[in-house]
Amino acid sequence: QVTLRESGPALVKPTQTLTLTCTFSGFSLSTPGLCVTWIRQPPGKALEWLARIDWDDNKYFRTSLKTRLTISKDTSKNQVVLTVTNMDPVDTATYFCARSKVTTGYYFDYWGQGAQVTVSS
Amino acid sequence: QSALTQPASVSGSPGQSITISCTGTSSDVGSYNLVSWYQQHPGKAPKLIIYEVTKRPSGVSNRFSGSKSGNTASLTISGLLAEDEADYYCCSYAISGIWMFGGGTKVTVL
Repeated sequence: QVTLRESGPALVKPTQTLTLTCTFSGFSLSTPGLCVTWIRQPPGKALEWLARIDWDDNKYFRTSLKTRLTISKDTSKNQVVLTVTNMDPVDTATYFCARSKVTTGYYFDYWGQGAQVTVSS
Repeated sequence: QSALTQPASVSGSPGQSITISCTGTSSDVGSYNLVSWYQQHPGKAPKLIIYEVTKRPSGVSNRFSGSKSGNTASLTISGLLAEDEADYYCCSYAISGIWMFGGGTKVTVL
């Protein structure tokens, strides 16, 4: 059974760095063809793809946020970490992690329940 | 990276069919048969309902179907039920290894 769970602070101040952890089970990120992706959703707005890390450690980022995003994985702990620097109130959103296959399909078949993050002083 | 274009809202009566369009470009929808659709109820995580343009995951009702022509993909919900009232998002894999989501469509069952 595949599960993912996001964890991190619910509240961050402007200019701070946000660190979110996606802890998953039921699959290994050392399996060829798998990746974990971060997606966010501001309140009342659409989903927005942020970043991806592949089984072979290849990384991809949303162009508009590329300078502020970092993604890493710890295969032994089944975790993927996303950091977002210089947080702003417009970054207030629910942040989801999701699994995908990147040799076939390219769809998000399993999602975490989401972590709500508010940026406010 | 502009979002894929979806209508903001679509409505229909129970039993009717509705279609949601999703327009992209030759760099995303038009380049790959890798369009997926997600259903999201309020306060919940999105759920995959269509992948690779036309395929349904196990357990998803056959009332949901997908298609694509050129740079536009479509999701059709037939035999509309009250439980189909939700937000729907299209998504396409794009050149350079990223994904693009649509702006979302709110489906209302009248």
